[in-house]
Amino acid sequence: EPEVTQTPSHQVTQMGQEVILRCVPISNHLYFYWYRQILGQKVEFLVSFYNNEISEKSEIFDDQFSVERPDGSNFTLKIRSTKLEDSAMYFCASNQRGQGANGANVLTFGAGSRLTVL
Amino acid sequence: GQQVMQIPQYQHVQEGEDFTTYCNSSTTLSNIQWYKQRPGGHPVFLIQLVKSGEVKKQKRLTFQFGEAKKNSSLHITATQTTDVGTYFCAGPGSNYQLIWGAGTKLIIKP
Repeated sequence: EPEVTQTPSHQVTQMGQEVILRCVPISNHLYFYWYRQILGQKVEFLVSFYNNEISEKSEIFDDQFSVERPDGSNFTLKIRSTKLEDSAMYFCASNQRGQGANGANVLTFGAGSRLTVL
Repeated sequence: GQQVMQIPQYQHVQEGEDFTTYCNSSTTLSNIQWYKQRPGGHPVFLIQLVKSGEVKKQKRLTFQFGEAKKNSSLHITATQTTDVGTYFCAGPGSNYQLIWGAGTKLIIKP
């Protein structure tokens, strides 16, 4: 079964450092997402990406965050200057048709990248 | 803004007992999705409900979508240890994002 793959599985960084989290979505999917989950809490939407541009972003996704699809397969999340509160599990997800009113298309999640900011 | 509330936060049951989690949206939803997250794992899609009053079953799991399409429930009959995890409901907030409930953690008492 096709998978969304994420690297690294765990990254420890010092406050103020830049971090790049990488994702390879499922090959025939068109919509890509980053979600965040602070330990024991709900899954929070960060950003969606379609047709090589951001289609929607949440309030969490401030100027410290950016996303990029540098080639045909990778989808990256960059945090420019990490803060302690950025410590969380970051999930990449993808689907074929976005969400929409006509019936959502299933999200397939990667296994996540755990970010620990010290 | 749009919110999806989910209760309870935790439910402790003996193996073999039933489990139910409830989801309420502040707005009418076009559809609702349910995901399961095992401890240390990632969310995995379980089911999507689209029609008003829809009921779907997956073995011991029964999913309902309310008539007004603002609430939903997941009921597990005769829980097993493999059911342990957190169950999330999520509804579309727009064309590009899902709004998630806080999740209900199912804990099986030893």
